Amino acid sequence: GQQVMQIPQYQHVQEGEDFTTYCNSSTTLSNIQWYKQRPGGHPVFLIQLVKSGEVKKQKRLTFQFGEAKKNSSLHITATQTTDVGTYFCAGRRTNAGKSTFGDGTTLTVKP
Amino acid sequence: DGGITQSPKYLFRKEGQNVTLSCEQNLNHDAMYWYRQDPGQGLRLIYYSQIVNDFQKGDIAEGYSVSREKKESFPLTVTSAQKNPTAFYLCASSTGQGAKGGELFFGEGSRLTVL
Repeated sequence: GQQVMQIPQYQHVQEGEDFTTYCNSSTTLSNIQWYKQRPGGHPVFLIQLVKSGEVKKQKRLTFQFGEAKKNSSLHITATQTTDVGTYFCAGRRTNAGKSTFGDGTTLTVKP
Repeated sequence: DGGITQSPKYLFRKEGQNVTLSCEQNLNHDAMYWYRQDPGQGLRLIYYSQIVNDFQKGDIAEGYSVSREKKESFPLTVTSAQKNPTAFYLCASSTGQGAKGGELFFGEGSRLTVL
């Protein structure tokens, strides 16, 4: 079945440093979504990427979808303590009724 | 306010007992999903439903059952056949339209502990 691998599993950074998490799928995707889950909370949708090579920005967050539509990344510039949480990618194949989640990257930020 | 409501938030049960987790949405979404989350792990799909009166098994359906009699409701029953039911259960919904799919809206989750 479809597999979505996400690395790293954990990332500890000093406030102000950058952070990147990577997502790789074993199959070509129709779209990929990114979610953030704060400690003790539930996942919240951040963004969806659909086009090959797509790049989207949300303030300090930059999302990329690979040319082959099999990988994606989320980059945070100059992390803040409010960025703490677990970031998940979720990939969906064409005509699939469901997405497959990666295991997430948990970010901690030291003030 | 539109959203997804899960209940109960915390639930304790004894081994051998079935328990049903409630999930209700007023977003008029066609698709609904149940995920299980274990500490330090991602979300694993238990069951999903793309339309009323229809549902499909996800990756870890064994020991679970669902129903979708109404568009707004998708209850999950954790049966005694589930070997390790202690987990955080998340319900989600989406428009589920077409190949692009849709943003998943999650409830706040139900934390089940088997004593």
